[in-house]
Amino acid sequence: DQQVKQNSPSLSVQEGRISILNCDYTNSMFDYFLWYKKYPAEGPTFLISISSIKDKNEDGRFTVFLNKSAKHLSLHIVPSQPGDSAVYFCAAISGGSYIPTFGRGTSLIVHP
Amino acid sequence: DTAVSQTPKYLVTQMGNDKSIKCEQNLGHDTMYWYKQDSKKFLKIMFSYNNKELIINETVPNRFSPKSPDKAHLNLHINSLELGDSAVYFCASSQVASGGTDTQYFGPGTRLTVL
Repeated sequence: DQQVKQNSPSLSVQEGRISILNCDYTNSMFDYFLWYKKYPAEGPTFLISISSIKDKNEDGRFTVFLNKSAKHLSLHIVPSQPGDSAVYFCAAISGGSYIPTFGRGTSLIVHP
Repeated sequence: DTAVSQTPKYLVTQMGNDKSIKCEQNLGHDTMYWYKQDSKKFLKIMFSYNNKELIINETVPNRFSPKSPDKAHLNLHINSLELGDSAVYFCASSQVASGGTDTQYFGPGTRLTVL
């Protein structure tokens, strides 16, 4: 039973354009969400997070939006760069826990 | 100055063998984890140790035994390896604050192939 779903296994975007990666969740107890970025042969690295008390968090070119009523979050990368090409994992944590539940990832390819 | 390191990076072995994967973190974190990334690419928690004590043990066969000699190390020993154990295993660490939302830092992964 997937509690965190990333329904797009891959996304291809032109350099300079916006990349939008989506994530849906089913567990209403989740109250903290994270995005991790993973390059081949490396471990995931933390990118950005958002608490359920917010609906937006921005860090440079990266913005995460949270729609609690829809149980949906998205990661926007503007402008996209070739170095952003990686697998992006969405993860969620429920109150009282510190263990994230991960989605299966979306592979982003940014073409020069 | 690697934060979380794992050895070996690749491990190829025969069914039935026993093998170990080592993990070390130099971040001074108090909590360490083992994750398994299977063929479907999901990252699933296996174990969590806080200050050398087992906190979380998800539904994992008892052929898998974590060992934490000190809070900077969390090794994973696997007995009687099976084909289905083939996966990438990631070690991670974090400093668990009272809020419980501290970022996890991952090692580079160990790709285990069981033949």
